[in-house]
Amino acid sequence: DIQMTQSPSSVSASVGDRVTITCRASQGINNWLAWYQQKPGKAPQLLIYGASSLQSGVPSRFSGSVSGTDFTLTISSLQPEDFATYYCQQANSFPLTFGGGTKVEIK
Amino acid sequence: EVQLVESGGGLVKPGGSLRLSCAASGFTFNTYTMNWVRQSPGKGLEWVSLISSSTIYIYYADSVKGRFTISRDNAKNSLYLQMNSLRAEDTAVYYCARGIAVTTKTFDFWGQGTLVTVSS
Repeated sequence: DIQMTQSPSSVSASVGDRVTITCRASQGINNWLAWYQQKPGKAPQLLIYGASSLQSGVPSRFSGSVSGTDFTLTISSLQPEDFATYYCQQANSFPLTFGGGTKVEIK
Repeated sequence: EVQLVESGGGLVKPGGSLRLSCAASGFTFNTYTMNWVRQSPGKGLEWVSLISSSTIYIYYADSVKGRFTISRDNAKNSLYLQMNSLRAEDTAVYYCARGIAVTTKTFDFWGQGTLVTVSS
């Protein structure tokens, strides 16, 4: 199985800050990496697919990038509605696997 | 508007069975791959199963293989998960999720989830 190691597990930040979250795959996943945002009591929402493609309707302050097997989600200017937990997911091969999550908290 | 509405969750004893349903609307159901994803209380996300649009391809996580069965009825726009031999570790919110067209193994719409509790 492909292991997805996400870091950090939590981050404290202020409105307007730039936030980066990293996900490392245990093997190559051909850039088939997605990012989701989940708020308490709600279902996850797709932000990024294919490592860097922005899902329709998602604000442009969210972006994804890749370097080898390291994937990054960047929030360029954190907004109040962005405080949530973020998950990466590899979509290359079965079983599909998620990272452990990163909770973005208010500083 | 795409909508996915899960039902069928509840409290069940270890070893028992439960059947989850997901009613889909707002899109052409029979052209999309569908999935079940679960989340244990306070924990992360775990993919459970995938079924292709025509049911040709079906995959399961090792943790549920042999106990859970995914199915769909395209005439009823419905997705199902039959869960047998349930264990305490199956306790979770179960989400149905649609696979996006570009890569069916990424999920663009999710239901609100249904809670399954396995306890004596």
